[in-house]
Amino acid sequence: RKEVEQDPGPFNVPEGATVAFNCTYSNSASQSFFWYRQDCRKEPKLLMSVYSSGNEDGRFTAQLNRASQYISLLIRDSKLSDSATYLCVVNELEYGNKLVFGAGTILRVKS
Amino acid sequence: DAGVTQSPTHLIKTRGQQVTLRCSPISGHKSVSWYQQVLGQGPQFIFQYYEKEERGRGNFPDRFSARQFPNYSSELNVNALLLGDSALYLCASSSGDQAFFGQGTRLTVV
Repeated sequence: RKEVEQDPGPFNVPEGATVAFNCTYSNSASQSFFWYRQDCRKEPKLLMSVYSSGNEDGRFTAQLNRASQYISLLIRDSKLSDSATYLCVVNELEYGNKLVFGAGTILRVKS
Repeated sequence: DAGVTQSPTHLIKTRGQQVTLRCSPISGHKSVSWYQQVLGQGPQFIFQYYEKEERGRGNFPDRFSARQFPNYSSELNVNALLLGDSALYLCASSSGDQAFFGQGTRLTVV
């Protein structure tokens, strides 16, 4: 079983749509959680941290369910520029600062 | 402010050769980590260094080694290159639990 699992997609959505990504992780001792965005052949960029209370940053909302070991990302009013790969990331602090990445979910927003 | 800088950006090596990749973290960040990303997968953790000490090591062979210098910059060294080492090598600079990546070094082994 992979440590962090994501649906690879691709998710093909029209502009203005709402899209949700989900992710599960296997290490219950994981300490912190993130969504990163990666454009083709570029480095991953931190999109947002994820907290149990849920957190929002503009059109993006992230949620963590520690009991179910489940992380989600909701994107509202999708833009063409949102097209990218979204990486679910878990930080296993018991090993220092070790980020464990999912394989990523591809989002394509079309006009 | 300068972000994480890596050099070189691209590199082509022959099987059996050795390679050294370099990383300069964000000013003030004392932790540097290295990741390998092959096509179609998420980055895989290789090493983490903090204050010049190794804090973590991923599931990579001993051909991979790294070090961190007093100015917190870091080098990743890979010996006896294999075709399967072809990948994007990413350096991450951390403050607390948030990590910021450099643009990566794209290594091709032929």
